[in-house]
Amino acid sequence: DAKTTQPNSMESNEEEPVHLPCNHSTISGTDYIHWYRQLPSQGPEYVIHGLTSNVNNRMASLAIAEDRKSSTLILHRATLRDAAVYYCILRASNAGGTSYGKLTFGQGTILTVHP
Amino acid sequence: EAQVTQNPRYLITVTGKKLTVTCSQNMNHEYMSWYRQDPGLGLRQIYYSMNVEVTDKGDVPEGYKVSRKEKRNFPLILESPSPNQTSLYFCASSYRARNRGTGELFFGEGSRLTVL
Repeated sequence: DAKTTQPNSMESNEEEPVHLPCNHSTISGTDYIHWYRQLPSQGPEYVIHGLTSNVNNRMASLAIAEDRKSSTLILHRATLRDAAVYYCILRASNAGGTSYGKLTFGQGTILTVHP
Repeated sequence: EAQVTQNPRYLITVTGKKLTVTCSQNMNHEYMSWYRQDPGLGLRQIYYSMNVEVTDKGDVPEGYKVSRKEKRNFPLILESPSPNQTSLYFCASSYRARNRGTGELFFGEGSRLTVL
């Protein structure tokens, strides 16, 4: 199974940008990079995903390395509400891909945001 | 409102007493899966289902059963619960084919199970 590696924890100050890294050196050509976050006492929620190009949405930006072996989730201005566990996972682009059904989340990165 | 609903949200039971945690989604998703979350171990996949009557093992299937008789429901069954199954459980769903969506997972709010 394609695996991802993330730092255990990161800290940031409020209103500063945060760059959360993820390594996925065994990524296959059909794998999308998904990011989820889990707020305290809640289920994980989708943040963003991408394949090759950088992506932006209202929550965050995703920067993908040219060789796709790493990616970075960017929170442009961290708020206290962004304190959560952030998970980077790989998911095949179609149901025939090996990493479409069986997913590995790992432990994620605990983001602490200081006022 | 699009949602994944789990029940019960909290349960305390005793060793050996069969229990079922239900999961229902209203988004017509083909794919559903179950995870358990334990301190220091993150989210680990128990079982998943690509469609009705199609289920497969995740990373930690021992001690659990699932069934997928209807598209919207994916119950998790603990035939003989043991204390090491005390955990926080999450159900998730998504479209199966990328051309029908982004493949993003929608999670339930979780079910906290304690086995004494």
